Amino acid sequence: IQMTQSPSSLSASVGDRVTITCRASQGIRNDLGWYQQKPGKAPKLLIYGASSLQSGVPSRFSGSGSGTDFTLTISSLQPEDFATYYCLQDYNYPRTFGQGTKLEIK
Amino acid sequence: EVQLVESGGGLVQPGGSLRLSCVISGFTFSDHWMAWVRQAPGKGLEWVANIKGDGSKKNYVDSVKGRFTISRDNAKKSLYLEMNSLTAEDTAVYYCARDVNYFDSSGGHYFDAFDIWGQGTMVTVSS
Repeated sequence: IQMTQSPSSLSASVGDRVTITCRASQGIRNDLGWYQQKPGKAPKLLIYGASSLQSGVPSRFSGSGSGTDFTLTISSLQPEDFATYYCLQDYNYPRTFGQGTKLEIK
Repeated sequence: EVQLVESGGGLVQPGGSLRLSCVISGFTFSDHWMAWVRQAPGKGLEWVANIKGDGSKKNYVDSVKGRFTISRDNAKKSLYLEMNSLTAEDTAVYYCARDVNYFDSSGGHYFDAFDIWGQGTMVTVSS
């Protein structure tokens, strides 16, 4: 299953509302997670099951979607949110990540 | 404290072999699937393999099948990745991750997610 994220990069300001999209090449129910990665660090789980917030993750992060189209929304960007975001399908093997969306400061 | 610590990375010649290790602490290792995920320099994440808690099931990405072997020793709380016939395309930071299941009561199935990650170990394949 191919996962395609858009955009590949995004410039935004603190306080902005941001949406990142992930599209699967076939239906994957809601078997999708979102991860945040900062330079030189391991990824961090944000969302699982397309819309369930991982424990400890701020509520400004939310996920939605089912089937082939999914979104990650950050309601009000904070300085620590500037990072690269990846979606990952866990519907079947091999697990596949999207190519990533780099969120940069405007 | 929950922790995953990888080791074993380094510089290896094309065609060579390397064994990565990941030692865990802070949770019951044998209860969980575990996975390896890699990231080539400047590139995105790639899932490599995973293994069930008792070691009875393993899955691999096609590009490493027949060359890489994932294994575990629950008594030592350790996860391994044996890598053979290495090529330049295997150059990457290799992360081990806990592969946790969450039950979806509405859908009646389980979600998988990687909720804990190690710091990564760098593998460079070059002559």
